[in-house]
Formats: sequence, structure tokens, C-alpha cells
Amino acid sequence: ERVMTQSPATLSVSPGERATLSCRASQSVSSNLAWYQQKPGQAPRLLIYGASTRATGVPARFSGSGSETEFTLTISSLQSEDFAVYYCQQSNNWPYTFGQGTKLEIK
Amino acid sequence: QVQLLESGPGLVKPSQTLSLTCTVSGGSIRSSGYYWSWIRQHPGKGLELIGYIYYSGSTYYNPSLKSRVIISVDTSNNQFSLKLSSVTAADTAVYYCARAGNCSGGGCYSGFDYWGQGTLVTVSS
Repeated sequence: ERVMTQSPATLSVSPGERATLSCRASQSVSSNLAWYQQKPGQAPRLLIYGASTRATGVPARFSGSGSETEFTLTISSLQSEDFAVYYCQQSNNWPYTFGQGTKLEIK
Repeated sequence: QVQLLESGPGLVKPSQTLSLTCTVSGGSIRSSGYYWSWIRQHPGKGLELIGYIYYSGSTYYNPSLKSRVIISVDTSNNQFSLKLSSVTAADTAVYYCARAGNCSGGGCYSGFDYWGQGTLVTVSS
């Protein structure tokens, strides 16, 4: 099973600044990596798939990069609605697995 | 716009079977290229994929739960269902149904793009 490790666990950033979230896979997952945003009491929302393709309706300030074992989600200029928990998820090997999440909080 | 809605008991006794149904609207469960999934989230924790099913009935289960899980599909009612047997308190979680896209050969490569709102299932006597 591929273990997905996200860092940091909590990230404190001011509105308008850039946020960089990391996800590491225990073995290569090629580019089969997705990112999700989850707000309290809501289901996760797909942001990025294929490591770098934005899902429908996702603002351009969200971008994904990386391949194999190292991935990054960047939010270029944080808006108030971006403060949430973010998860990465690999779909290269069954069972598909999620990271433990990074909580993005207001500084 | 595809919508998914989970339904089923919110309380299940230990050793019994948890049963949930997901009703899909705004699209056909028979659409090619999609797998229909169950994902759970323990309170305050991360996400765990339980398994998924194609409209043909082909299933993939997480090995950690495989001995206790059955996922089935009812194409006439545009629904799919989850049964998890011999539940314990460790199965208390929010259960989501979701759609996985860009699927071929059993693999799905566009993430889980539509989700239900989730339903909390508590295992307690």
C-alpha cells in the first residue's frame, strides 16, 4: 500500500500570501495524484488531478506540480474561503490512499 | 449536475451489518468511464477508500476491509449500496459516496469529482 505523507500538518498563512503544501508518496505514483479541499461539515472537493490539472470550476490560484514521489499544491494568493484542510490522494496503485491532511489556517 | 445522496441508519449495533445506499441524480449510473465509490472518514481523521463498483457489477475492495464489505449496484434505480458486516466501534465514521472519473481497466485517474454530503454512522449498543 502506498503511504501518502503530507507536510506540514498545520500551515499558518496570512490572506493574500502564497501557501505551499507538500505530499510525499512512499513509492512512485507516477502523476496519478489528486488534491482535495475539505471545509468543516462538508464533503471533500476535488481541486487537482493528474498532479497538475485543475478540476472544473477551480480557480487559477490553485496549482499542482510534481511526479513520482514528491508533489506540491500551491495557492498563489490566499482568499478567506481557502482556509480549510487539504488532502492528497494517489490513484496509481490499489488501494487508493489519502494523505493525513494539512490544515491551512489564518495567521 | 450530478448529485449523490447517502441514506441509511445512523446507528448500528456492534456485530451487526451496516447498510447504506447512494442515490445518483442528474446523470446515469450506467455512464461509461466512472466507478461509484464508498469512502469513509473517522471522526476528526483522514479519508479511507472502502471500494468502488462499475455499473456492470465489477468491484474493487480495499484489502483492509475486503472480508466484510459488499458493494452492489441497482441500475434500474440509479443506486449503489454498501454493506459492512460485523461492525465494531472502529467503524464509526462519516460515510461518503462519490464518483471516480476517467476510469479504464479498473483504474480511475481523475480523482473523485462528485461526492454525497456524507452520513454519520455510529456503532453503539
